[in-house]
Amino acid sequence: SQTIHQWPATLVQPVGSPLSLECTVEGTSNPNLYWYRQAAGRGLQLLFYSVGIGQISSEVPQNLSASRPQDRQFILSSKKLLLSDSGFYLCAWSPWANGGADTQYFGPGTRLTVL
Amino acid sequence: AQSVAQPEDQVNVAEGNPLTVKCTYSVSGNPYLFWYVQYPNRGLQFLLKYITGDNLVKGSYGFEAEFNKSQTSFHLKKPSALVSDSALYFCAVSWGGYQKVTFGTGTKLQVIP
Repeated sequence: SQTIHQWPATLVQPVGSPLSLECTVEGTSNPNLYWYRQAAGRGLQLLFYSVGIGQISSEVPQNLSASRPQDRQFILSSKKLLLSDSGFYLCAWSPWANGGADTQYFGPGTRLTVL
Repeated sequence: AQSVAQPEDQVNVAEGNPLTVKCTYSVSGNPYLFWYVQYPNRGLQFLLKYITGDNLVKGSYGFEAEFNKSQTSFHLKKPSALVSDSALYFCAVSWGGYQKVTFGTGTKLQVIP
């Protein structure tokens, strides 16, 4: 069966510090991978998605970046965090489908607080 | 532009009563429609989806949803609500070859004992 891991679970960082969040998927090959941010426990904002190694689509201009160095690894980074980067970060994977994105399976999330 | 709307910020229902959480969508072409549930400080969990076929879709935990093409709706329903159903519910849509999903703003369901 497939599993998705995210770490760390919680993170408190000062403004201006770097960030690296990691997501890995087990039990599947060539998944679509996604990074979302959820503010104040409500709506999901799609940040990045990837349909293959080295292929990253950015949805929102910001000081964050994403990389996919391996098939089942997705990393979210920042060189300098802002207060507005605080939130709940969710990684998800889905199988590639011809007609449109299929079911997404979410990781447990990382709670980031920028002080 | 493609979009999905959840018009109710919160829905309150008494335990044992039927519940409905509303969702409408706007896409060109045939939509893929999903419902997810989120418990506090957790990731989202998949409940059910409609891609093609029977308009009534049954999913996890006794939930079901009906795809209505003429009304562009995909409302989530359950015949008898449980207190444990209290959570945040998200409707989502994807479409036509795009490998990304648009989520609604979420509806908080509160089941009152």
